[in-house]
Amino acid sequence: QKEVEQDPGPLSVPEGAIVSLNCTYSNSAFQYFMWYRQYSRKGPELLMYTYSSGNKEDGRFTAQVDKSSKYISLFIRDSQPSDSATYLCALGGAGSYQLTFGKGTKLSVIP
Amino acid sequence: GAVVSQHPSRVICKSGTSVKIECRSLDFQATTMFWYRQFPKQSLMLMATSNEGSKATYEQGVEKDKFLINHASLTLSTLTVTSAHPEDSSFYICSARRQNLGTDTQYFGPGTRLTVL
Repeated sequence: QKEVEQDPGPLSVPEGAIVSLNCTYSNSAFQYFMWYRQYSRKGPELLMYTYSSGNKEDGRFTAQVDKSSKYISLFIRDSQPSDSATYLCALGGAGSYQLTFGKGTKLSVIP
Repeated sequence: GAVVSQHPSRVICKSGTSVKIECRSLDFQATTMFWYRQFPKQSLMLMATSNEGSKATYEQGVEKDKFLINHASLTLSTLTVTSAHPEDSSFYICSARRQNLGTDTQYFGPGTRLTVL
């Protein structure tokens, strides 16, 4: 079993839809959780950083962490075509300062 | 958010030449930087961890003599691809580790696209 599982998609939704992106992980030692957005031919951009179980909201984005289920989610409300990108989950703190990345989910928001 | 720059953004070189890529953290000091490689439609692959003032740590399968890393200051790490060959053509991305107010994360540069002819 891989440390972090993320459905690569592609995921296609109409503009205005609520998008749900998810990752599952196996190592309970992970302590902090991030979501990055990567546009084509660009470096990843940090969207959300969470340290504990629960929800964190930032504008149209909500990150959710459930440590008991080893499951993290990113919700995008009122999705826009500009949200079309690949979204990577990243986990850290499991005895190393390196991050463990999911493979990324490619999202397309159709106008 | 924190800013990390990379230079050049794109480089085309002939086979056998060496290419240097710079990664700078512009608004914070980074004792640790990372170098990744990304092939089309694939996720990030960590190549090496660069620590200021010490030797880099390379991941398994990455040739340290081919990919030279220098982290001479708290804001600059360089990756030199020596004797580049077409199979080295890829998207190279650096990141800088930032620890601040209880957070510990990485901020990425915009990437460098290397094409070896």
